Amino acid sequence: SQQGEEDPQALSIQEGENATMNCSYKTSINNLQWYRQNSGRGLVHLILIRSNEREKHSGRLRVTLDTSKKSSSLLITASRAADTASYFCATDPNTGGFKTIFGAGTRLFVKA
Amino acid sequence: DAGITQSPRYKITETGRQVTLMCHQTWSHSYMFWYRQDLGHGLRLIYYSAAADITDKGEVPDGYVVSRSKTENFPLTLESATRSQTSVYFCASSPVQGTEAFFGQGTRLTVV
Repeated sequence: SQQGEEDPQALSIQEGENATMNCSYKTSINNLQWYRQNSGRGLVHLILIRSNEREKHSGRLRVTLDTSKKSSSLLITASRAADTASYFCATDPNTGGFKTIFGAGTRLFVKA
Repeated sequence: DAGITQSPRYKITETGRQVTLMCHQTWSHSYMFWYRQDLGHGLRLIYYSAAADITDKGEVPDGYVVSRSKTENFPLTLESATRSQTSVYFCASSPVQGTEAFFGQGTRLTVV
């Protein structure tokens, strides 16, 4: 089963609103990353948060990590139509080896 | 051009045929990965490689073979294609364990 699971599976909002996506995972991790995928394209890295960090910002993106709850959230503020995409969390399990595991993603649709 | 490129972009093959998907990166990244993306499953790791001549299985390795004789190339071979291997395949590379991965544009494979 997937290490990371995003919630909700799909989200539709108006331009200018904030979008929040959540990710839960099962095992201890070294870090957690968020990626974006536009339709028909490869994934693009957005932000990485390490297990000893609780919050990180990058432009309009805010990521939080709660290792006690094994969860993370991605907040996109003041969304734009161009933010329409699928967003994936990816975890680097603290189990040895190197196997970044992706969740199933949240499909975000921002209406202009 | 610098980056990570996959070929072909689209491929239709028949059940039982052998097919190889190519992946080439120009950064000399140590780590390379193959994922498949299917609706409802997100990205699932097929194989990864930590360096030339070092490969290991991911979540769904059955029916696939990889090799890494050179750092820059990481081909994925389907030994005897099945319809269940119809998917979009992504290759990715990363310079350091557990950090940002760079994705190719994907190969859409259809097995008929």
